Amino acid sequence: DMQMTQSPSTLSASVGDRVTITCRASQSISNWLAWYQQKPGKAPKLLIYDASSLESGVPSRFSGSGSGTEFTLTISSLQPDDFATYYCQQYTSYLFGQGTKLEIK
Amino acid sequence: QVQLVQSGAEVKKPGSSVKVSCKTSGGTFSSYAINWVRQAPGQGLEWMGRIIPVLVTANYAQKVQDRVTITADESTTTAYMELNSLRSEDTAVYYCARGRGGGDAFNVWGQGTMVIVSS
Repeated sequence: DMQMTQSPSTLSASVGDRVTITCRASQSISNWLAWYQQKPGKAPKLLIYDASSLESGVPSRFSGSGSGTEFTLTISSLQPDDFATYYCQQYTSYLFGQGTKLEIK
Repeated sequence: QVQLVQSGAEVKKPGSSVKVSCKTSGGTFSSYAINWVRQAPGQGLEWMGRIIPVLVTANYAQKVQDRVTITADESTTTAYMELNSLRSEDTAVYYCARGRGGGDAFNVWGQGTMVIVSS
């Protein structure tokens, strides 16, 4: 069965930091990967699709890279609004990673 | 601007069924996938299934495929998710989400519907 493994599960960082979240697929998914941001009590929000394409309206400090089985989401300079939970999702079978909670240090 | 508006919260008994609706407004309905994703309290996101209204046929996650039915009504631009034989573990927020086309990441989400299963 396909598995998606995100790391870390929790990340503590400060405003202005550069942070990277990793997502690994158990088998190749080409570039069929998306990243979402979710805040408490809210629906997820699409940030990145097709591994590296920035969704319209999403700030350019968010970027995605990777292909095959290893992918990263990078936030170049954390802003207060970025503290949230982030999920990767592959859309061959639509499986989500387990999430990464980004906390204020 | 496309919006998805879901039906309201439900409280159900174990063994019963629930049907959640998701109305699309402001954009094309028939050719874009509507997905259903749930999130149990304090847990991650779980994809349940999807339908492309013009194709009628739905696809389901293996975990729930025996209990879930996803349908779409093009005349009212509304998609539905019905879950049967409810268990306490089905207590969750249920979201509908629209595929953006192409690779099909989910770029528009409904507001979520809380379903509580309790005796």
